[in-house]
Amino acid sequence: GAGVSQSPRYKVAKRGQDVALRCDPISGHVSLFWYQQALGQGPEFLTYFQNEAQLDKSGLPSDRFFAERPEGSVSTLKIQRTQQEDSAVYLCASSLVSALNTEAFFGQGTRLTVV
Amino acid sequence: AQSVSQHNHHVILSEAASLELGCNYSYGGTVNLFWYVQYPGQHLQLLLKYFSGDPLVKGIKGFEAEFIKSKFSFNLRKPSVQWSDTAEYFCAVNTGGFKTIFGAGTRLFVKA
Repeated sequence: GAGVSQSPRYKVAKRGQDVALRCDPISGHVSLFWYQQALGQGPEFLTYFQNEAQLDKSGLPSDRFFAERPEGSVSTLKIQRTQQEDSAVYLCASSLVSALNTEAFFGQGTRLTVV
Repeated sequence: AQSVSQHNHHVILSEAASLELGCNYSYGGTVNLFWYVQYPGQHLQLLLKYFSGDPLVKGIKGFEAEFIKSKFSFNLRKPSVQWSDTAEYFCAVNTGGFKTIFGAGTRLFVKA
């Protein structure tokens, strides 16, 4: 596709459920980022992949959060035993190379609501 | 901890008014600076960026930003806004790692 695609667009989960959020980056993009955006806030960094290698996961808020990108393209963000504070928009972004001065392209996000 | 502060959460302007959105960051070293925009119903997209060189950066759609190192600021400006500039604007800072830190955003509403 032409841009970064995320699915589902909306997800409602009961507290305690596990969820999996998918990101399809732009084809050929080396770098992939996950961000969490709470209501009224800016995006907060969660984790970074360079191809299949997860080089930075310092932003993951707890061990309930897990991300993978096994073949260096599609990525999945998994949240186990969801809590209400996990409610947010989860954004994925990709960029062509790993250099920091390259533009990151964002998807439209997955809005997660935990009830 | 590094942080980004956007002074105005909501701004309302009439068409043709001038715009300046404030952004300050807290980090004493070398920074890469960005402004992103999110139009209603759309994804975040890059407006402009600064890495080095001329501190006055030109972006798309007539926007510009000025990096003032002594003030730790990277304010966004546009001489004359249009109704189509209604959006949310985010300032962001990267200090050399993989993490980019975003401000809380400023919602701009331009009255036609």
